[in-house]
Amino acid sequence: AQSVTQLDSHVSVSEGTPVLLRCNYSSSYSPSLFWYVQHPNKGLQLLLKYTSAATLVKGINGFEAEFKKSETSFHLTKPSAHMSDAAEYFCVVSDGSVDSNYQLIWGAGTKLIIKP
Amino acid sequence: EAQVTQNPRYLITVTGKKLTVTCSQNMNHEYMSWYRQDPGLGLRQIYYSMNVEVTDKGDVPEGYKVSRKEKRNFPLILESPSPNQTSLYFCASSKIPGQGPEAFFGQGTRLTVV
Repeated sequence: AQSVTQLDSHVSVSEGTPVLLRCNYSSSYSPSLFWYVQHPNKGLQLLLKYTSAATLVKGINGFEAEFKKSETSFHLTKPSAHMSDAAEYFCVVSDGSVDSNYQLIWGAGTKLIIKP
Repeated sequence: EAQVTQNPRYLITVTGKKLTVTCSQNMNHEYMSWYRQDPGLGLRQIYYSMNVEVTDKGDVPEGYKVSRKEKRNFPLILESPSPNQTSLYFCASSKIPGQGPEAFFGQGTRLTVV
């Protein structure tokens, strides 16, 4: 069975400082992993995805994530936070198998707060 | 422009009054699904469809119905809505989810049942 744990429900950083949003996953197969972002009262936008190629994945808006199989983690980072990064971030896993009905499993979300 | 279109964006209704939320995609995707989003729970899958006339239950199907008569459309039906179905709903489509191709999401439908 697959599962996703986002370790922090809220993360608060000052503008210009690094961002770290933590995600651990569990999957029986080789998973695909995604980060989505949801700005207030907006839809869901894909930030980046890992699909068994390079373990360091670069996404939009300066975000990146590193797949660490030994730690079953897929943490999201950004070197310097911007006010426009304030949003809720979701870590998502899928093993892409018919056994799981190709289902995307979502973490509970992490709200990123940016202090001026 | 590739997109998933949901309607309506906002809906307030009364308990027991049947309603339908429409979803349409223009990317010729086989896989479509409905999710509900509740605070602290992320997104939970309600129903999904692998292709036309093929639908199946997700994690939280109780109180919902779907149909897939055409590839592009995947409406969500609440036959007798109840207050615990107050939520934010998202429709999504993809080629084969979780294998590289991303899921594309509609803008969401905020439903309030009073």
